[in-house]
Amino acid sequence: QKEVEQNSGPLSVPEGAIASLNCTYSDRGSQSFFWYRQYSGKSPELIMSIYSNGDKEDGRFTAQLNKASQYVSLLIRDSQPSDSATYLCAVNRNQAGTALIFGKGTTLSVSS
Amino acid sequence: GAVVSQHPSRVICKSGTSVKIECRSLDFQATTMFWYRQFPKQSLMLMATSNEGSKATYEQGVEKDKFLINHASLTLSTLTVTSAHPEDSSFYICSARDVASTRNEQFFGPGTRLTVL
Repeated sequence: QKEVEQNSGPLSVPEGAIASLNCTYSDRGSQSFFWYRQYSGKSPELIMSIYSNGDKEDGRFTAQLNKASQYVSLLIRDSQPSDSATYLCAVNRNQAGTALIFGKGTTLSVSS
Repeated sequence: GAVVSQHPSRVICKSGTSVKIECRSLDFQATTMFWYRQFPKQSLMLMATSNEGSKATYEQGVEKDKFLINHASLTLSTLTVTSAHPEDSSFYICSARDVASTRNEQFFGPGTRLTVL
């Protein structure tokens, strides 16, 4: 069974710190990797996608992918209280019509 | 770009009635849309994959006769909760994938909060 594992948290960091969120996946055929942010009571919002090994940076966010270790991470620099949310890791084989496989999410709390 | 809308955003109904939820991709075409359900403080649960012009594929444990899905066009999928009961009260969210994109990104609608009395 294809699985995506995340530490549920909560992960608590002070404002301005780096938050590090981790995710492992079981399906070696996975080719697409995503991070979604979900605020309480809202639907998920795509914040990062990564497809090849290495780092991908977008503003304060950096996604890291290591396919050999089946590991994806998200770093949030200069964390802000507005970053407090649940972060969902999702993977996919990139086959037409296939749904993303989601982890259960990590709750991040940034204190001011 | 990549905007997905849902209607209604919130619905309250009596037990036994049917509720239809619409999911539209506003600025792209989607041959495939996905329907999820999320109970409070729980993770997303995939209910079904909606394919344009063909029958939906339901996940194990999801009753296809209770949750009717129609994907009649490249921009619209509907989910009908038939004979709704209080245990169907949940947050229903759709997502869609841009058929023209190779990036396989899926974009979520804002969700529909269903309360069955």
